[in-house]
Amino acid sequence: GENVEQHPSTLSVQEGDSAVIKCTYSDSASNYFPWYKQELGKRPQLIIDIRSNVGEKKDQRIAVTLNKTAKHFSLHITETQPEDSAVYFCAAAPNQAGTALIFGKGTTLSVSS
Amino acid sequence: DGGITQSPKYLFRKEGQNVTLSCEQNLNHDAMYWYRQDPGQGLRLIYYSQIVNDFQKGDIAEGYSVSREKKESFPLTVTSAQKNPTAFYLCASSAGARYIQYFGAGTRLSVL
Repeated sequence: GENVEQHPSTLSVQEGDSAVIKCTYSDSASNYFPWYKQELGKRPQLIIDIRSNVGEKKDQRIAVTLNKTAKHFSLHITETQPEDSAVYFCAAAPNQAGTALIFGKGTTLSVSS
Repeated sequence: DGGITQSPKYLFRKEGQNVTLSCEQNLNHDAMYWYRQDPGQGLRLIYYSQIVNDFQKGDIAEGYSVSREKKESFPLTVTSAQKNPTAFYLCASSAGARYIQYFGAGTRLSVL
């Protein structure tokens, strides 16, 4: 079945720097890749997603890139702000009926001012 | 944020007791999911349901049970067989596996 690896597990940056989180997946047939942000004590919320027919997607300071050949996708946050501090989860959707999203173990991002 | 309601927000379980966590959605979603989150850990899938009256085990189903009698509701029972139930439990729903999942606010379960 699908397996999603996420790195790094923790990431500390200075305000204004960029942050990059990388995920790899094992099932080449997976075709949907969302990213969720979870602030302390809150529910995870979708921040951006990408489907396999697209190589890159941007939304203001956030972008996701997908390399289907290498089976990895990355989250890029530019001009980081303290409110970006949270746990970020990547996920992949296997292209198989009756399955669920497979989540990575999460990256704790800390942005210091 | 709206659309998925979990209750209660906090729950305490006594030794040998079964407890049930409620999850209701009004998003008309077919699929619903239960996850367990331990401190510093990711989201581990307990059970999921793609359609009414059908559900599948996730990675850590032992000690848990679910039902899906209505599209809107997917309650999770933590049985006495679950020896380490203390965790944050999240319910989610989506139109399908390859669509956005919306999460509830969670239930924090502790053992007395």
